[in-house]
Order: sequence, then C-alpha cells, then structure tokens
Amino acid sequence: AQKVTQAQTEISVVEKEDVTLDCVYETRDTTYYLFWYKQPPSGELVFLIRRNSFDEQNEISGRYSWNFQKSTSSFNFTITASQVVDSAVYFCALSGGNEKLTFGTGTRLTIIP
Amino acid sequence: DAGITQSPRHKVTETGTPVTLRCHQTENHRYMYWYRQDPGHGLRLIHYSYGVKDTDKGEVSDGYSVSRSKTEDFLLTLESATSSQTSVYFCAIRRGTGGPNEQFFGPGTRLTVL
Repeated sequence: AQKVTQAQTEISVVEKEDVTLDCVYETRDTTYYLFWYKQPPSGELVFLIRRNSFDEQNEISGRYSWNFQKSTSSFNFTITASQVVDSAVYFCALSGGNEKLTFGTGTRLTIIP
Repeated sequence: DAGITQSPRHKVTETGTPVTLRCHQTENHRYMYWYRQDPGHGLRLIHYSYGVKDTDKGEVSDGYSVSRSKTEDFLLTLESATSSQTSVYFCAIRRGTGGPNEQFFGPGTRLTVL
C-alpha cells in the first residue's frame, strides 16, 4: 500500500522568510512518481511539479525548489523569500505507475505580511 | 486551464435523495477521475475512467457509481445520499496516455447532505 505523510498540518511564516514543506512517502514500487499541488483560498487545485523515482536531481523553478531523496523517502518543497500569494494548502502526492494517485493530508501555509 | 467544468458547483440535498454530479472536459482526454476532499484526509480517489464505458474503483467507492457514455462527460452518482458524503468533489483529467502524468482538476463541487 502507498502512503504519503505531510506531518506539518499548519505553518506560518513572516513574508520574505524561506519555508520548507515536508513530504515523506512509502511505496513498494520500484518506479513511482511524486507530485506537488497547491490549493489557494479560492479552492482550485494547481499542479506544481512531477518527479520520477529514477531522477533524483533537485529542481528549481523561480522561488520554488524541490529536494528529492530516495534514501529518506522524502520529497520536500522549499519556497524562498515567501510572499503573501504563497498562502495556500499544499499537497504532496504519489503514484506507483497505475492510475491511483495517493495524496497526503496537506500543509496549510500562511504567509504573514 | 485544462478545460474542465463541473456542475453543479454547489448543492444542498437531503439524506436519501439521489444526486448526480457532472464533469465535462473539452480536450478529449481518455482518463478522468473523481475525488472527494475532506478535512484531515486530503483528496481520495472515488472512481476513475480510462475510456468510454471503462471505469474502475478507487479508494472510497462505496456508495458511489459512475458512468461515462461520452468521452467528454464523466458522471458521479450518489444513489442515496448520506451525511457522510458531505464533501467537496473534484473531477480531474490526465493528459497523455504514457504513464501517470500529472492530473489537472476541475473547480470542484461542494455537496452538503442534510
């Protein structure tokens, strides 16, 4: 069975601080895929990134970066110089190659101006 | 914009009544999904479809049925709604057919069962 754990239920930081959202996963599949989604207060779900299990390179996109470590089964998400628009619920998700996407319970991030 | 609409966007109904939620896509994608979102649970897969008339169960399929008679429409039916089915329901599509590519979500339907 697959499992995604986002232990941080809520995080608050002051604007311009850096913040890291943790994601730990469990799977028996040798090939799997990891995702991050953002859900702003308006409610829609926005796709942020997909990583394959065979590609452990970290990724950076503007102020966003992702650190994938198979040794610790983690796929952490860092926002640098946070902004109020980053306030949202962030979900980490895992797929083992079939159609079933397993989501974590989400981390609510609040950026304080 | 993934071209996904959901209807209705909000619905209040009473226990025991049937409810159908509609997901419509404009991009002719093969794979479509229904999820529910509840506090403390994230999103959980209810059912998905991999083509017209081809559907399969997800993690929380009890009490739900689905139908897909056209590529563009995926219907979720609660035959007899219960209060435990009060939730926000999201439809999603997957672009491409090679592997678990990212899914893109509709705006959601907030369902309240009294």
